[in-house]
Amino acid sequence: QLQLQESGPGLVKPSETLSLTCTVSGGSISSSSYYWGWIRQPPGKGLEWIGSIYYSGSTYFHPSLKSRVIMSVDTSKNQFSLNLSSVTAADTAVYYCAKVPSWRMDVWGQGTTVTVSS
Amino acid sequence: QSVLTQPPSVSGAPGQRVTISCTGSSSNIGAGYDVHWYQQLPGTAPKLLMYGYSYRPSGVPDRFSGSKSGTSASLAITGLQAEDEADYYCQSYDSSLNGVVFGGGTKLTVL
Repeated sequence: QLQLQESGPGLVKPSETLSLTCTVSGGSISSSSYYWGWIRQPPGKGLEWIGSIYYSGSTYFHPSLKSRVIMSVDTSKNQFSLNLSSVTAADTAVYYCAKVPSWRMDVWGQGTTVTVSS
Repeated sequence: QSVLTQPPSVSGAPGQRVTISCTGSSSNIGAGYDVHWYQQLPGTAPKLLMYGYSYRPSGVPDRFSGSKSGTSASLAITGLQAEDEADYYCQSYDSSLNGVVFGGGTKLTVL
């Protein structure tokens, strides 16, 4: 059974870079059928797609975040990562990673809370 | 402002039927891109509830059904149960944004 687990710092200072990793277990990140994605949810608000990455490195990003986002895949560790630069308080959210076949998210991680504060 | 529009809240008594609408545009639902629905129970990660308008992942009861008409989609829940109380989100692909779009979410209250 495929499982995803987010990890990373829970507190990031304003203007710094938020870095998260999603570890995939129970399956290979190199599957040719899926993208892998990041979604976030600010406190008390709805879901926002950040972007998606294929194991080969092909990416799609939300237009409003594109200038600040880098995603990468490490197939040897079965992990993919998110870097979000120049963070502000508006980036405070629960961050989820997910498996993304055909533009839907069918397996989600449990989420990790990231707070941007000095 | 979400690209897909959902009512902020709906409610119903146990056993009743409720529907949640999701209104898009010609660059997403109206263009024929699939609509997917997620259920988010309090304090938990979202769970895929419905995909491709009307397909249920394994384990989702057939009390849940989906449909589409024009630039809108709907999720229907029949035989409402207390455990259905949750936030529900619709999601599609948008060709103008070249990416995933979500609705703002609908809070379902079981009275």
